[in-house]
Amino acid sequence: AQSVTQLDSQVPVFEEAPVELRCNYSSSVSVYLFWYVQYPNQGLQLLLKYLSGSTLVESINGFEAEFNKSQTSFHLRKPSVHISDTAEYFCAVSPIQGAQKLVFGQGTRLTINP
Amino acid sequence: ETGVTQTPRHLVMGMTNKKSLKCEQHLGHNAMYWYKQSAKKPLELMFVYSLEERVENNSVPSRFSPECPNSSHLFLHLHTLQPEDSALYLCASSQDPASGRGDTQYFGPGTRLTVL
Repeated sequence: AQSVTQLDSQVPVFEEAPVELRCNYSSSVSVYLFWYVQYPNQGLQLLLKYLSGSTLVESINGFEAEFNKSQTSFHLRKPSVHISDTAEYFCAVSPIQGAQKLVFGQGTRLTINP
Repeated sequence: ETGVTQTPRHLVMGMTNKKSLKCEQHLGHNAMYWYKQSAKKPLELMFVYSLEERVENNSVPSRFSPECPNSSHLFLHLHTLQPEDSALYLCASSQDPASGRGDTQYFGPGTRLTVL
């Protein structure tokens, strides 16, 4: 079985400041890792994912996440946030083998203050 | 329309009512999913359908009954629900759930369900 822990339920930051959203996971099997974002009154959208290869993955809007196998972490970072980044961010894992079953963390609400 | 659509967007029902949630995907995917998003709890996977066959049922109570008539449509039939079933119900689709490729799941906007 898998579990995902997002260590911060809420993260307030000022506009143009850097941010890190933390994610740790537990799994007895190899997993793929995902970050999804949910804007107000919308469904979830994929932000980025790690499947294999380089442990640093990037999204088109400036976010990046690094897979750290030894620490079982997949923290999400952005060097300079914008008001439009205000949303809830979900970390998730899925076993590599078998049916794709996403297991989500509790979510982190990112609030950007002007 | 494109992507994944869900209707209705909001639903209020009594505990003795019967209602259905509808999901439609326009992406040509083979797999569809139902998730439950409750306040202060992680998203919970409820059901997975692959090529119209149910491949996963995550210990969901029988008052929730899914139906997948074809690969583009997914329903969630509701009857004799409880107030604790109030939540946002999200539908998603992906290309192939058993591909081992880590296919992206595409989510609809959800149906906000309130059970009185």
